[in-house]
Amino acid sequence: RKEVEQDPGPFNVPEGATVAFNCTYSNSASQSFFWYRQDCRKEPKLLMSVYSSGNEDGRFTAQLNRASQYISLLIRDSKLSDSATYLCVVNEGTGRRALTFGSGTRLQVQP
Amino acid sequence: DTGVSQNPRHKITKRGQNVTFRCDPISEHNRLYWYRQTLGQGPEFLTYFQNEAQLEKSRLLSDRFSAERPKGSFSTLEIQRTEQGDSAMYLCASSFRGQGSGANVLTFGAGSRLTVL
Repeated sequence: RKEVEQDPGPFNVPEGATVAFNCTYSNSASQSFFWYRQDCRKEPKLLMSVYSSGNEDGRFTAQLNRASQYISLLIRDSKLSDSATYLCVVNEGTGRRALTFGSGTRLQVQP
Repeated sequence: DTGVSQNPRHKITKRGQNVTFRCDPISEHNRLYWYRQTLGQGPEFLTYFQNEAQLEKSRLLSDRFSAERPKGSFSTLEIQRTEQGDSAMYLCASSFRGQGSGANVLTFGAGSRLTVL
């Protein structure tokens, strides 16, 4: 089983739609969680950290469910510029400092 | 300082040759990471430095791979006797250890794309 699993998509949605991605992680001791965004042929960039209480940044909302070991990302009012791959990222703790990335979920927002 | 810098951006080599990539992190960042990414996959962790100490290495890092960060600033990743399976994007990232906004968040360079013929 992969440490971090995501649905690869692609998710094809019209502009203005609301779309949600889930990600599951295998290590219950995981401590830190993030969503990164990666545009085609570019490097990953931090979209947002995910806090236990959930957090929101504009049109983006991230949630963490430790009991079920998944995190989610909700994008409201999708824009064409949201088209990218969204990477779920977990720090597994237990002394590890490296982040483990999922394979990413590709989003294509269509006009 | 404009971010994490990686060189070269592209490298094409023949199987069996050695290649070296360089990463210059953000100057105030004390942590440096190397990842590898292939098409359709997320970045895979290779190794991590805190200052000049290499603190963690992935099982992916075979004995043909070696990384250094001699003065705790820039880092090099060398691949010896390259194989076609080494073809990938090699990403470097840096972060700073601390508290508050931005701490422990990875900032990536644009990557070095390796093609082994």
